[in-house]
Amino acid sequence: SQQGEEDPQALSIQEGENATMNCSYKTSINNLQWYRQNSGRGLVHLILIRSNEREKHSGRLRVTLDTSKKSSSLLITASRAADTASYFCATGPDRGSTLGRLYFGRGTQLTVWP
Amino acid sequence: SAVISQKPSRDICQRGTSLTIQCQVDSQVTMMFWYRQQPGQSLTLIATANQGSEATYESGFVIDKFPISRPNLTFSTLTVSNMSPEDSSIYLCSVEAGFSYNEQFFGPGTRLTVL
Repeated sequence: SQQGEEDPQALSIQEGENATMNCSYKTSINNLQWYRQNSGRGLVHLILIRSNEREKHSGRLRVTLDTSKKSSSLLITASRAADTASYFCATGPDRGSTLGRLYFGRGTQLTVWP
Repeated sequence: SAVISQKPSRDICQRGTSLTIQCQVDSQVTMMFWYRQQPGQSLTLIATANQGSEATYESGFVIDKFPISRPNLTFSTLTVSNMSPEDSSIYLCSVEAGFSYNEQFFGPGTRLTVL
């Protein structure tokens, strides 16, 4: 399967703490993306990191990518209660027969307590 | 970016009936995608819909069960046919519209319950 696998499945922290989620995948990729989903609603795109990049920042988000280990991590710093959501990694395969497709992991449910 | 709307937002349907879900985008896009998210699960791609051609279905999904239309560059429909309780899921459409290849924007989803 090309799906990513997130770890942990669930994470519970206090406001102000940092949250780290990991994603592993199996095949070569063009890019890896992180999405957030609140309460079974639509997904919100957070950040995309290309296969030739190692680290990327966006506000309180920091994403790393290690293609040799086929893994990525998402760090949310100074978490807030509003960050409570499910977080999914999605891999975009190299162009070809699977053009445009994204393969999603099972997600990490993050709960941030006030 | 793109703004995507879906109709209906939710529905409760009887076994054996069909439901058509609409997806409207505020800009012209080439590729549209339909996903299914079963309760507590991740997203699974159903099919890719390009305007002017037949939809491409993923393994495990067939056109008779999930017919898709793509009449223009801003609109698509997904029909869930002959429904059973196992079809109870959230159905989401998405488009590839970001600055980066593969960056997708999602609609709010349609929450379907089949009794």
